[in-house]
Order: sequence, then structure tokens, then C-alpha cells
Amino acid sequence: GENVEQHPSTLSVQEGDSAVIKCTYSDSASNYFPWYKQELGKRPQLIIDIRSNVGEKKDQRIAVTLNKTAKHFSLHITETQPEDSAVYFCAASPGWAAGNKLTFGGGTRVLVKP
Amino acid sequence: NAGVTQTPKFRVLKTGQSMTLLCAQDMNHNSMYWYRQDPGMGLRLIHYSVGEGTTAKGEVPDGYNVSRLNKREFSLRLESAAPSQTSVYFCASSYTSSGSGEQFFGPGTRLTVL
Repeated sequence: GENVEQHPSTLSVQEGDSAVIKCTYSDSASNYFPWYKQELGKRPQLIIDIRSNVGEKKDQRIAVTLNKTAKHFSLHITETQPEDSAVYFCAASPGWAAGNKLTFGGGTRVLVKP
Repeated sequence: NAGVTQTPKFRVLKTGQSMTLLCAQDMNHNSMYWYRQDPGMGLRLIHYSVGEGTTAKGEVPDGYNVSRLNKREFSLRLESAAPSQTSVYFCASSYTSSGSGEQFFGPGTRLTVL
């Protein structure tokens, strides 16, 4: 089955700096890669996603890049703010034909210091 | 719209007791999922359903049974709870069709097995 590894497990940045989280996946059949943000005691919420036919996607201060050949994808947060402090999870899916199953990475705890 | 709801929010069980967690969604999604999240870890898929009358095993199905009651509702049953099943359980739902992917999560059920 799919295996997703996520690094680093914790990340501390100064407000205004950038944060980068990296994930690798094992199954070349995976074609959908979402990123979820989970605040303490809350449910995971989708912040951005990318499909395998796209190399990069951006939404305001967040961007995701995908390298299919190397089987890795990354989340970039620019101009970090205290409200970006949370746990971020990457995931990989073989797509709708396989039921949109998600395999999650272990998570990255991001702390933005004011 | 309530989105995805879960009952109960919290539960404490003794080893060997049984319980059923219930998930409901009002977004007309065809697919529903049960995950567990252990401290400091990512979410792991227990079972899922891509439509009424169908269920399938995820990564960690042992010790759990599911029922897709109708399009809206998906239950997770622990027949004989064990301390290793202490976790936060999240239900999610999504469309399963070309171009789909985003899973919407419920608020979670915090289960402790003594």
C-alpha cells in the first residue's frame, strides 16, 4: 500500500518568515495530494491540494509543488502569521476510481513566534 | 447545512465493552470514511464506503465493523473495546467522481478505553 513520509515533525519560524514542509510518497498510482491544517482540538481542514497533472499551485500565501518523478511534494507558507500555528498533514490518494482513499503523513507541528 | 456530524463527542469505555459511533453528512456525498488519530500521529483509515451497500477495509480495520446505513449515515462499531483503541475518531465524506477529492471531516469523537 501507499506510504507517506513527512518532514520535519516540528517547525518553529519567526513571524514573517517562510515555512516549508516536505512529503514523499511510494505509490506511483497516487494522483491527488491534499494538505490539511488541524488546529488544537479541531477537525482537519483542507487548505490546498494538487493533482498529478499540475506541477505547482498557489493560493495567496500558500503554495504546493509536486515532483512526480521523484515522488515528492512540498507545502510553502510565505509571510507566516501567528494564526498559521497548527499541525499540517500531507496526504496522497489514488483518486476517485479507488474511492478517494487518503494516506496521511505523520504531521508537522508549526509554531510561528511573534 | 451542518456538514459532517458525529455522535458522541466523548466516551469512556471499559475493556470488553462495545459501542457504536455514528456519522452523518448532509452534503449528498457518496463516499464516507472512518479514521483514527493517535497522539502525535497522522490519521489512519479504518474502513470506508463509496456508496450505499458497500464497505471496504482501510489500513487498520482489525477490531472494527462498519455499516453504511443509508447515503447520509455511516456507523463504526467496536464489539469488544481494547485499550489500544483509545484514540480520536474522525469521520469524513466526499464526492467520488472525476475531479473530486476533498474530504470534509466531522468534529471527532474522543474515546478512552480503560
